[in-house]
Amino acid sequence: EVQVVESGGGLVQPGESLRLSCVVSGIISSGAWMSWVRQAPGKGLDWVATVREDGSIYYVDSVRGRFTISRDNTKKSGFLQMRSLRPEDTAVYHCAVDGVWGQGTLVTVSS
Amino acid sequence: DIQMTQSPSSLSASVGDRVTIICRASQGIRSEVGWYQLKPGKAPKRLLYAASILHSGVPSRFSGSASGTEFTLTISSLQPEDFATYYCLQASSFPLTFGGGTKVEIK
Repeated sequence: EVQVVESGGGLVQPGESLRLSCVVSGIISSGAWMSWVRQAPGKGLDWVATVREDGSIYYVDSVRGRFTISRDNTKKSGFLQMRSLRPEDTAVYHCAVDGVWGQGTLVTVSS
Repeated sequence: DIQMTQSPSSLSASVGDRVTIICRASQGIRSEVGWYQLKPGKAPKRLLYAASILHSGVPSRFSGSASGTEFTLTISSLQPEDFATYYCLQASSFPLTFGGGTKVEIK
């Protein structure tokens, strides 16, 4: 059974940085994408970024240039480096791999 | 960007009811649609992908279909554990986009 666990969230001030981690256990398909999706308090789901199996990377416009997604060569872990954080980035951030999501890690950006 | 218009935004239903949720895409997306179930404090669960393929371990009362740009999630007989919020996701092109969600509540 595939499991996904995120970590690294916390409370930061506007303009600061945070690095989220995603660890995957179990067997995943060779073509699995790794994505980050966030849910702001009381809001719906918003896609943030994806790294595909071929290494191509995509971002939503609101984070491009501030966030960097990466995954390691074994494809069993990944990261979301977040810089220049804004209050509107406050959300629970979920990592999703091969259709399996983690419970998420809360990022709060507030002064 | 492709917009996914999901309806209804909420519904009340009883155990045993048949429930249908619809997502309409703003343009053609083949069948690159997934459906997800969210419950507070739990990891979101993918129910279906490619519009109609059941994710491993998901009960067969969940089904999906596609007709043009309209995608449907059906729960054939609502169970107590199905009261949750459901989202569609188009994965046809970036940026990936979700529908607005449907909250299924107990009548």
